[in-house]
Amino acid sequence: KAGVTQTPRYLIKTRGQQVTLSCSPISGHRSVSWYQQTPGQGLQFLFEYFSETQRNKGNFPGRFSGRQFSNSRSEMNVSTLELGDSALYLCASSFDGNNQPQHFGDGTRLSIL
Amino acid sequence: QKEVEQDPGPLSVPEGAIVSLNCTYSNSAFQYFMWYRQYSRKGPELLMYTYSSGNKEDGRFTAQVDKSSKYISLFIRDSQPSDSATYLCAMNPDDKLSFGAGTTVTVRA
Repeated sequence: KAGVTQTPRYLIKTRGQQVTLSCSPISGHRSVSWYQQTPGQGLQFLFEYFSETQRNKGNFPGRFSGRQFSNSRSEMNVSTLELGDSALYLCASSFDGNNQPQHFGDGTRLSIL
Repeated sequence: QKEVEQDPGPLSVPEGAIVSLNCTYSNSAFQYFMWYRQYSRKGPELLMYTYSSGNKEDGRFTAQVDKSSKYISLFIRDSQPSDSATYLCAMNPDDKLSFGAGTTVTVRA
């Protein structure tokens, strides 16, 4: 069974630009969550999607947004990039949320110049 | 104070030793507890998933949860060089996982 797939693996952007990251969950999983990982703050929850609806949201500014498609694939968008947005962005999927175990992809490494 | 505190390490142990990892938490709403292993340049890999207080064993790994003390542990028996990684505890009352900062473990051959 294929795991969680995130694309691209690496991305370099400049301040002020916007970026879109993609996540394909494990087949049959309908809940997708996004996390940001930095050396200083560790892993922090961004948001969770289920059935194309945002069900949960962390404490990040509105520049961070996401969406989920009918096939459960999800995208995350960051607008007006700042240097502090440099991080590893991780996607995790679970069967239906509801405290089911979450399985992570290998992330997208975003570097802001 | 962070919701989840994890012993920072790093830990360096000889091959075959028992590795002990710990986390404490402050939020009584946390009900589900997980341990993840993360290798360099990879995403976290789920090792253990528990709900109730007590011990859960899976091969060389034992997860321990003490809800009354708000304390969880992971023990790795007969550690191998391939166990060298960063270990993260995670917990949640819903689908928003809160993570510890991670403990980097090195198992010396």
